[in-house]
Amino acid sequence: AQKVTQAQTEISVVEKEDVTLDCVYETRDTTYYLFWYKQPPSGELVFLIRRNSFDEQNEISGRYSWNFQKSTSSFNFTITASQVVDSAVYFCALRRGSTLGRLYFGRGTQLTVWP
Amino acid sequence: DVKVTQSSRYLVKRTGEKVFLECVQDMDHENMFWYRQDPGLGLRLIYFSYDVKMKEKGDIPEGYSVSREKKERFSLILESASTNQTSMYLCATERGPMNTEAFFGQGTRLTVV
Repeated sequence: AQKVTQAQTEISVVEKEDVTLDCVYETRDTTYYLFWYKQPPSGELVFLIRRNSFDEQNEISGRYSWNFQKSTSSFNFTITASQVVDSAVYFCALRRGSTLGRLYFGRGTQLTVWP
Repeated sequence: DVKVTQSSRYLVKRTGEKVFLECVQDMDHENMFWYRQDPGLGLRLIYFSYDVKMKEKGDIPEGYSVSREKKERFSLILESASTNQTSMYLCATERGPMNTEAFFGQGTRLTVV
């Protein structure tokens, strides 16, 4: 069975703090894909990143960075120097490599950044 | 840019009504999905479709059905709405193959009274 766990339900930080959102996944597949999505108050999920199971390189995009570690089945997301506009719900998701389509989502982490 | 449009942003329906939630995409994507989002539960898959007239049950299909008569449109149907179907409904599409990302609509917040 596939499972994605986001243990942090809510996180509050003050602007300019760094914050890490945790994601732990379970799958027996050797090929799979991991995703992060952002859901701002407007409601629409916005794609942030996709990683396949064969690529463990960490990625940095501006203030965002992702740490993928197969040894611990984790795909953590760090925001550096957080801003108020980062306030949103963040979802981690898994797609199996053996079947088409569907995503398995974690329960999400509500991030609030205070000015 | 991919555009995924859900017919209503907010909807209020009465118990027992038949409810149609519509989703239209403009990028010729093969795969379409309906998810339900509830606080503390994340997104749960209701139904999905890989092609016209094809549908597959997700994790929570009970009380729902779907229709995909045209590639660009995927409808979610609540045959007889109940209060426990009050939720946020999100439509998603993806081009396929499997290593592409999904694009989401803005969501429909349905309240059943």
